[in-house]
Amino acid sequence: GQQLNQSPQSMFIQEGEDVSMNCTSSSIFNTWLWYKQDPGEGPVLLIALYKAGELTSNGRLTAQFGITRKDSFLNISASIPSDVGIYFCAGVYSGAGSYQLTFGKGTKLSVIP
Amino acid sequence: DGGITQSPKYLFRKEGQNVTLSCEQNLNHDAMYWYRQDPGQGLRLIYYSQIVNDFQKGDIAEGYSVSREKKESFPLTVTSAQKNPTAFYLCASSRGPNTEAFFGQGTRLTVV
Repeated sequence: GQQLNQSPQSMFIQEGEDVSMNCTSSSIFNTWLWYKQDPGEGPVLLIALYKAGELTSNGRLTAQFGITRKDSFLNISASIPSDVGIYFCAGVYSGAGSYQLTFGKGTKLSVIP
Repeated sequence: DGGITQSPKYLFRKEGQNVTLSCEQNLNHDAMYWYRQDPGQGLRLIYYSQIVNDFQKGDIAEGYSVSREKKESFPLTVTSAQKNPTAFYLCASSRGPNTEAFFGQGTRLTVV
């Protein structure tokens, strides 16, 4: 299947700092999605990106769909303790009558108060 | 409320028994998915279905089976052939191609 490389695997930051994480792939995707997962819960959709070059914000979160359609990044500004969790990127590919979601392995974010 | 409901939240089974995990959605979504998540790992695709009465194997389908008799429902059976079934199972749905997927709360299966 398609592979997504998500980095970093984990981050420890001070409250108030900005955070950046990214996903890259050798394959092209039609859509990029960013999710946050709290322990023992299902992932919650944060941002969806549909066009190459698209830059979208959701509060303190900003994500971009790379021009090559093979990468995406997520920034979190002025982190707060409730930002703690695992962030996943996901790429959607559709073609030849089929489509799939492919997930990165996640970035575990820890925020030190 | 609209959404995806997985039940139960926690499930315990003895080794060698089949077990079925429920996933229901009232979002009128065509596509549904099952993922497995192990500690510290990402999500791995088990099966997906784009339309009623049709489903496709994902990356780790061995030892699992599904059905899609109704648009709203996509149950997953973990069979005794699955060698390491203890994991967190997540169901998701989406409208269709190139659209965002929404997840249920997950079912934590423990086989003893």
